[in-house]
Amino acid sequence: GNSVTQMEGPVTLSEEAFLTINCTYTATGYPSLFWYVQYPGEGLQLLLKATKADDKGSNKGFEATYRKETTSFHLEKGSVQVSDSAVYFCALSANQAGTALIFGKGTTLSVSS
Amino acid sequence: EAGVTQFPSHSVIEKGQTVTLRCDPISGHDNLYWYRRVMGKEIKFLLHFVKESKQDESGMPNNRFLAERTGGTYSTLKVQPAELEDSGVYFCASSQYAQLNSGNTIYFGEGSWLTVV
Repeated sequence: GNSVTQMEGPVTLSEEAFLTINCTYTATGYPSLFWYVQYPGEGLQLLLKATKADDKGSNKGFEATYRKETTSFHLEKGSVQVSDSAVYFCALSANQAGTALIFGKGTTLSVSS
Repeated sequence: EAGVTQFPSHSVIEKGQTVTLRCDPISGHDNLYWYRRVMGKEIKFLLHFVKESKQDESGMPNNRFLAERTGGTYSTLKVQPAELEDSGVYFCASSQYAQLNSGNTIYFGEGSWLTVV
């Protein structure tokens, strides 16, 4: 069945460090891929998305490229800030109708100054 | 424009009691979803409404959970009777269109934290 696997956290970085959070998926068909973020005390927010192979989603300095050959959608940022501390969730659109999301377990990122 | 709002934000109840969670979607969004995250695990899909109809309820864990969306506006999710393993965060989300894999955006609420003791 469809599934998403994220790297285990927590990830602890210093400000301005490079960030990679790995995400791989298993899916039938051609799902869309998403990264969601949950800041402390807030709800889930869409960070970026990609709807087809080789698409690159980007937002707030974060990027992720939909790699069909490696079934991956790794999240990267060149220079993290303290304000990026949050839980990051990789997700894919689950069913053939594309009306539900399957999430990974989430990766907690903590950035210190 | 108001986002997806959920109530209560936190709830602590005893095992065997009943809890009702409420979700108000973004105005004009026909599609409403419930998800939940139990401690340390993935966020899992529970069900999807299109207006007042249940489009997909394949994720509902058992018959102790009842979701309604009378009139196609707000939705409630009732847990009766609550068990310890029901503890977690219940997220509501809404979208204008159902097809997420065409790139349409789904908006989440802040979640309702449920603790069953």
